[in-house]
Amino acid sequence: RKEVEQDPGPFNVPEGATVAFNCTYSNSASQSFFWYRQDCRKEPKLLMSVYSSGNEDGRFTAQLNRASQYISLLIRDSKLSDSATYLCVPHSNSGYALNFGKGTSLLVTP
Amino acid sequence: NAGVTQTPKFQVLKTGQSMTLQCAQDMNHNSMYWYRQDPGMGLRLIYYSASEGTTDKGEVPNGYNVSRLNKREFSLRLESAAPSQTSVYFCASNHRDGYTFGSGTRLTVV
Repeated sequence: RKEVEQDPGPFNVPEGATVAFNCTYSNSASQSFFWYRQDCRKEPKLLMSVYSSGNEDGRFTAQLNRASQYISLLIRDSKLSDSATYLCVPHSNSGYALNFGKGTSLLVTP
Repeated sequence: NAGVTQTPKFQVLKTGQSMTLQCAQDMNHNSMYWYRQDPGMGLRLIYYSASEGTTDKGEVPNGYNVSRLNKREFSLRLESAAPSQTSVYFCASNHRDGYTFGSGTRLTVV
């Protein structure tokens, strides 16, 4: 069973739109979660972490629902530069992720 | 700048050749990892090292060996390269605040 499940997309949205991605996870023991963004042919870079109920950083809001075992990422006022693949990663007690999954692809269009 | 440094950035090998991918981090992290990413796929864990002196297999270890030379350095060796090992390789270290990745090594085996 995969550690996380994400809709691969692509999500095509116009500039200025609000878009949300969900990520469901299988290990109820996961303590914290991270959202990474990966640009084409580049390394993943940490976008934000989610340790408890949620986190907000500018246009980005992440929320954690432990009862339903999912994490969401909301992007407000989308920019062209937000176009990337977004990866949801649980940080389990073992401390590592077996795989990162394919993530969700976002394309913001003019 | 602090971070993870990988070398080389690009490499072309002939089938059967060997090579070592180098990785070093200067963030004093205990844990280090090697992932591979194939086109259109997520990152898959090859090997990891939870601390200096220890290494363990990940999801796809066949055909690879690793060495945790010291706390800073974690190398990945291909003893006899095969075309199936054509991929992008990412080294990473992690802390409770998430992963930091190197910029990747693009390896082609012909």
